[in-house]
Amino acid sequence: AQRVTQPEKLLSVFKGAPVELKCNYSYSGSPELFWYVQYSRQRLQLLLRHISRESIKGFTADLNKGETSFHLKKPFAQEEDSAMYYCALSGSQAGTALIFGKGTTLSVSS
Amino acid sequence: DTAVSQTPKYLVTQMGNDKSIKCEQNLGHDTMYWYKQDSKKFLKIMFSYNNKELIINETVPNRFSPKSPDKAHLNLHINSLELGDSAVYFCASSQGTSGGNYEQYFGPGTRLTVT
Repeated sequence: AQRVTQPEKLLSVFKGAPVELKCNYSYSGSPELFWYVQYSRQRLQLLLRHISRESIKGFTADLNKGETSFHLKKPFAQEEDSAMYYCALSGSQAGTALIFGKGTTLSVSS
Repeated sequence: DTAVSQTPKYLVTQMGNDKSIKCEQNLGHDTMYWYKQDSKKFLKIMFSYNNKELIINETVPNRFSPKSPDKAHLNLHINSLELGDSAVYFCASSQGTSGGNYEQYFGPGTRLTVT
């Protein structure tokens, strides 16, 4: 079954602390993995995708096929990082949409 | 110059009514989607259209009917609204039918409340 699991509903950290948002997936082919972010009262937007292997706003994510994980990391959290983060998966073949995890709310306080 | 727009932003209606939500994208994309975000913030695909053709139709009650008059528009019509339909509905678009290579751009969402 195709599934994305984000085990933490809420992650609270202090400003400057490291952050790791966990994401595990289950997929029977070669998935494409993404992190989407939704800031308060804003639309959902793409943060990272594994295929581009880039760092956005200090966040990185590495696809670990052995552990079927795509954890999102940032060494030093900022208050403006507070948002809802969704891990999502898609197949590479035509006609597939995004399968989202249930999301993790990141709260960064000073 | 909003990329993906939805109207209305808020919709409050009574059970049994029929309502529509409109979505338009000006990105020149050929694939559009409807997602539902429930009260627990869980996002799930409902429909996807590519070049006006339905390509994804998840297990959604047939009271929900998407319509794509052209590549830039994907509307969602809901008949006989029920309390459980209360949610935020997001429209999205992407350049291709594969989620892999193409980022999906989301609209601001339509918050539907059924009373």
